[in-house]
Amino acid sequence: EAGVTQFPSHSVIEKGQTVTLRCDPISGHDNLYWYRRVMGKEIKFLLHFVKESKQDESGMPNNRFLAERTGGTYSTLKVQPAELEDSGVYFCASSQAQGSRTEAFFGQGTRLTVV
Amino acid sequence: KNQVEQSPQSLIILEGKNCTLQCNYTVSPFSNLRWYKQDTGRGPVSLTIMTFSENTKSNGRYTATLDADTKQSSLHITASQLSDSASYICVVSALQGGSYIPTFGRGTSLIVHP
Repeated sequence: EAGVTQFPSHSVIEKGQTVTLRCDPISGHDNLYWYRRVMGKEIKFLLHFVKESKQDESGMPNNRFLAERTGGTYSTLKVQPAELEDSGVYFCASSQAQGSRTEAFFGQGTRLTVV
Repeated sequence: KNQVEQSPQSLIILEGKNCTLQCNYTVSPFSNLRWYKQDTGRGPVSLTIMTFSENTKSNGRYTATLDADTKQSSLHITASQLSDSASYICVVSALQGGSYIPTFGRGTSLIVHP
């Protein structure tokens, strides 16, 4: 069974450009999460989807970030326009249920570099 | 503000030796604490999970402890192997508005030398 997959694995873009990251969760997982790790810092929560609905987007840094999950399957995270401080590794995770002991499975991450 | 502090930041040990990683947290309301292992270029993989009532959990050579009173956790690795070289991340989740919101530590980078 395929795990959580993220595309692309690496992306280098210029400041001001737009980038779209994609996450394919494990099939059947209703819960999908986005996180990011900027250089030298801890991983931080961005938002949580339950199917196609945003359950919690309290971690989204600003309105340059837009996450979608049309149809409740894969999700995209668009950064427009990208700034230098957006550089980091963006992780996606998915889980079947949502509970205290539910495990979320992570993708390998997308390394974004804004130059 | 919810925070998770890990120590040491990095650790180098010889193969076969034991080691203990520490995690202190101020997360409220506490729901659960997980230890993750993250290999270079990979996403984190869960090793153990403990809720409020659990004070120890083992997964093979990994043993995690939790003291909910002092808000401290440790991850003990027994008889280390080269494949244990990775970043170990402590994650504490709080139940807020119906969602389990995680707070991540910065991780401890472990290097196991032959």
